[in-house]
Amino acid sequence: DTVLTQSPGILSLSPGERATLSCRASQTVANNYLAWYQQKPGQAPRLLIHGASSRAPGIPDRFSGSGSGTDFSLTVSRLEPEDVAVFFCHQYGNAPWTFGQGTKVEIK
Amino acid sequence: QLQLQESGPGLVKPSETLSLTCTVSGASIFSTIYYWGWVRQPPGKGLEWIGNIYYTGTTYYNPSLKSRATLSVDTSLNQFSLRLDSVTAADTGVYYCVIIPHSINCMDVWGKGTTVTVSS
Repeated sequence: DTVLTQSPGILSLSPGERATLSCRASQTVANNYLAWYQQKPGQAPRLLIHGASSRAPGIPDRFSGSGSGTDFSLTVSRLEPEDVAVFFCHQYGNAPWTFGQGTKVEIK
Repeated sequence: QLQLQESGPGLVKPSETLSLTCTVSGASIFSTIYYWGWVRQPPGKGLEWIGNIYYTGTTYYNPSLKSRATLSVDTSLNQFSLRLDSVTAADTGVYYCVIIPHSINCMDVWGKGTTVTVSS
């Protein structure tokens, strides 16, 4: 299985700061099929990014994804209080599909 | 507008079978634009992909479930279902059904989720 390791585990930043979340895969993710999801407490995950860098419809442009192969990242250019959530990376290029363990983003 | 709604018993006894249904609105289960899937989340933990199904009935499963999972489609009711046999406490969690557009090949729209507890 493709193991996805996310870092850091917890990210605590002030509003307006830049957040960079990392996702490293144990093997190359085929077709760069890497997605990012945001999950707020008590809610279902919401798709932010697919194909490593394509923003889903309706997602603000302060969310951006980059990377290829085994190293991927999600950047939130200017954190807002509403961004408090757990962010998961997910690879759907290799069978079986797998998720990272999540990065919790907190606002100071 | 695409929407999904999970339904099923909230409590299942150990060794019994968990059965959940996902009702689709805003799209036909026959659609060739989408396929359908299930994901679960144990309490306080991360996400685990369970499996996917196409309208043709073709299925793909996570091997970690050791062949306990079965996905099916009910075209007359515009629903798809999950059956998980021989459940244990480790199967407790929130179960989500999802829509996967062929255009992006990843889980796009999610249901709100349904909580299942395995306990005697």
